[in-house]
Amino acid sequence: DVKVTQSSRYLVKRTGEKVFLECVQDMDHENMFWYRQDPGLGLRLIYFSYDVKMKEKGDIPEGYSVSREKKERFSLILESASTNQTSMYLCASSLEGPNYGYTFGSGTRLTVV
Amino acid sequence: AQKITQTQPGMFVQEKEAVTLDCTYDTSDPSYGLFWYKQPSSGEMIFLIYQGSYDQQNATEGRYSLNFQKARKSANLVISASQLGDSAMYFCAMRPPQGKSTFGDGTTLTVKP
Repeated sequence: DVKVTQSSRYLVKRTGEKVFLECVQDMDHENMFWYRQDPGLGLRLIYFSYDVKMKEKGDIPEGYSVSREKKERFSLILESASTNQTSMYLCASSLEGPNYGYTFGSGTRLTVV
Repeated sequence: AQKITQTQPGMFVQEKEAVTLDCTYDTSDPSYGLFWYKQPSSGEMIFLIYQGSYDQQNATEGRYSLNFQKARKSANLVISASQLGDSAMYFCAMRPPQGKSTFGDGTTLTVKP
């Protein structure tokens, strides 16, 4: 069964900490995406990657960075966590092209205290 | 630029009845894909159904069908014989020939027993 795995389901971090959210896919997908989801705001794209070592800013990249050193792994980094980054984070992957949907991970619910 | 509009923030349906979730889109690309995803309260986004812009017939997947009206730029999701487990948030999305998908704001469906 094809999968996108996010390293943590729930995470609690302190303000100012550097936080790593890991996402691994086993489908040889070129594209990977990080979204955050907040009530009433829908899905907002943080960063995406079309291929290894490639990255592009999404709609809300401020306060985040990403790393894609291997095709299967796309990491989201919160350089200095703040309380307004408390959110649900969703990772997704896909093949390139209009007829390919996304496969999502189960999400990481991050709380910054 | 692509845009997806889901005008129904919330919908109610009686168990065993059919329900239609609305989705309209805007794009200047001649080729694109349309998708519906389900997000239960657990948080994971699940792919439901896909429709290609050149497909002549409406897509169906079990109890899900996509009512594709290209001239009206609509891609409504029809769920037949609703079940309690269908209670979730539903997202419509569109993917262009190259690049990332655009998601709607979602519709929360509640199935009443």
